[in-house]
Amino acid sequence: GQQVMQIPQYQHVQEGEDFTTYCNSSTTLSNIQWYKQRPGGHPVFLIQLVKSGEVKKQKRLTFQFGEAKKNSSLHITATQTTDVGTYFCAGESNYQLIWGAGTKLIIKP
Amino acid sequence: DAGVTQSPTHLIKTRGQHVTLRCSPISGHKSVSWYQQVLGQGPQFIFQYYEKEERGRGNFPDRFSARQFPNYSSELNVNALLLGDSALYLCASSWGVTREAFFGQGTRLTVV
Repeated sequence: GQQVMQIPQYQHVQEGEDFTTYCNSSTTLSNIQWYKQRPGGHPVFLIQLVKSGEVKKQKRLTFQFGEAKKNSSLHITATQTTDVGTYFCAGESNYQLIWGAGTKLIIKP
Repeated sequence: DAGVTQSPTHLIKTRGQHVTLRCSPISGHKSVSWYQQVLGQGPQFIFQYYEKEERGRGNFPDRFSARQFPNYSSELNVNALLLGDSALYLCASSWGVTREAFFGQGTRLTVV
């Protein structure tokens, strides 16, 4: 079946360091969405990428959609404590959102 | 404006019982999707309804069913509960079938 693989599962960073999570799909996606889920909370929509090779920025967050529309990445520059949570990608294929397993961002004390 | 509301917030059921979870979408949203999220994993798609018709179904057994009402609210029903059905059940609404999803706080179901 269709799958979206997301790596890494966890990433421990010092505050101020960068963070990156990657998603790869087994099939071509119509679009890809990114969500953030804080501990104990529900997923919150961050952004949607639709075009091949698209790059979008939101302050310290940079989102990319691959040329083949099968992979995507989220990069956070200079992480802050407010960035803590799990970041999910969700790829749309055949009117279904297929979710990655998420990457948990952990700030080292 | 109210966001997506789900009820109940927490529920404890015994194996073999039946459960009904409810979701009210954001006003104006015609699409409702249901997800199951096991601790430490991403949401798994169960159903999507748009304009009261089923538009998508995930890889879940027939014990899971859902429906959408004329006011676009939705119910998720699970029969013959198993211990493995214990999870956070999330409802999400959106303007259309493939637009950004707004999630409710979820229903935490525990099967004992």
